[in-house]
Formats: sequence, C-alpha cells, structure tokens
Amino acid sequence: QVQLQESGPGLVKPSETLSLTCTVSGGSIISSFYWTWIRQTPEKGLEWIAYIYYTGSPNYNPSLKSRVTISVDTSKNQLSLKLSSVTAADTAVYFCARQSHWGNYFDLWGRGTLVTVSA
Amino acid sequence: EIVLTQSPGTLSLSPGERATLSCRASQSVSNSFLAWYQQKPGQPPRLLMYATSTRATGIPDTFSGGGSGTDFTLTISRLAPEDFAVYYCQHYGNSPGVFGQGTKVEI
Repeated sequence: QVQLQESGPGLVKPSETLSLTCTVSGGSIISSFYWTWIRQTPEKGLEWIAYIYYTGSPNYNPSLKSRVTISVDTSKNQLSLKLSSVTAADTAVYFCARQSHWGNYFDLWGRGTLVTVSA
Repeated sequence: EIVLTQSPGTLSLSPGERATLSCRASQSVSNSFLAWYQQKPGQPPRLLMYATSTRATGIPDTFSGGGSGTDFTLTISRLAPEDFAVYYCQHYGNSPGVFGQGTKVEI
C-alpha cells in the first residue's frame, strides 16, 4: 500500500532554511490527490503548512506563506518543503500527508520527522 | 478564522466505558467538513471520521460522530485498551482549515 516517508536534517540553525523531502512509495505521486505538509508542536498543535497537486499549483497557509515553498518531483516520486528564516518557533514534528479525494482532510500520513531549530 | 475548542482536555476512563469528546467551533460550520483523528505517542494522527459521521476505512463501529452547527462529538461506545490516545477534530473546507487542540483519553 502507499506509504509516505519524511527525511531531512534534524537540526537547523536559526535564520537558515529548513528543507525536507517526503518519498511516496507503493504508489505514484501522479494521482488525483493533493499532497500536504503539516507540522505539530506542543504549543500550537497541528498546523497545515502547504499542499500541492502533482501538476503544481501550490497552496500555502497564509500564516507561513511568505517563508514556504512546496514542490513535487514526479521523477523521484517526492514532495519537498522549504521553510526559510527559521526560528525556534519552527521547531516541530513535520509530517507529509495525503488529502482525501473527498475533502481537505488527511487519510494517509508519514511517520513524521522532528526538526529542531537551534544554534 | 474558525477556532475549534475541544473538551475536556483530559478524559480519565476505564476500558469498557463510554467516552464522549466535544469539539466546539467559534462559528457555525457545515457538518460536511468536520473530521476526527486519533494519535498515539510517537505515531502520526490516524483518520477516524470525516463529514462528521462517516467512519474512515477500517475504523470499528464503536466509534461514532455527530453534531451540527458549532457543536460536534466523537463517541467511543466501549473503550478498548488500544483506544487510549489523543483525539483531534479538524474543520476543513476550501483549505485544510484548522485543528482543535486535542483531548487525551487516559486510563
């Protein structure tokens, strides 16, 4: 079955850019689903960051839009996230997830990866 | 932006008991756009319910959802040991929207 796996550095310095990749296995990212990045912190809970269809057309959470880039690499079956100018407030577990065909909720999640922002 | 408030923060119950979790929206929402998730430590959230009352694939019928307007509930009719976890509601619409802060169901 389809599985999602996040990867990337677990530690990022303040003011730098956080870069994460999500690899889709057991299925194709070229499908009728939207693919999403979500993060979770003890303070703010679950927060969607951005989502994208394989053809492009990204959508960003307005609260993060100025710092976020989401993209898809169909040749590698991967989803990517870049978050610039990070601060300690960006320390979180980052998940990639698949949005359902039927609405903007999430029927498949990766296991998540912890990213800590610290000097 | 809609704010979802979940209550109680923690629910202390025993296996076999009934759990009723509340999710209140700051303004009326369509009940087509309310989902529930379960999260266990070290795991991602798992979709339980969408469109307020439709169980996701593989979710047992001990889980039920209801409500309308601003008040929604997730009910677990008989708690199994594996049901002790944190539960989140989500309002979605034209975007993934917002999540509630969670209710922990503990033994």
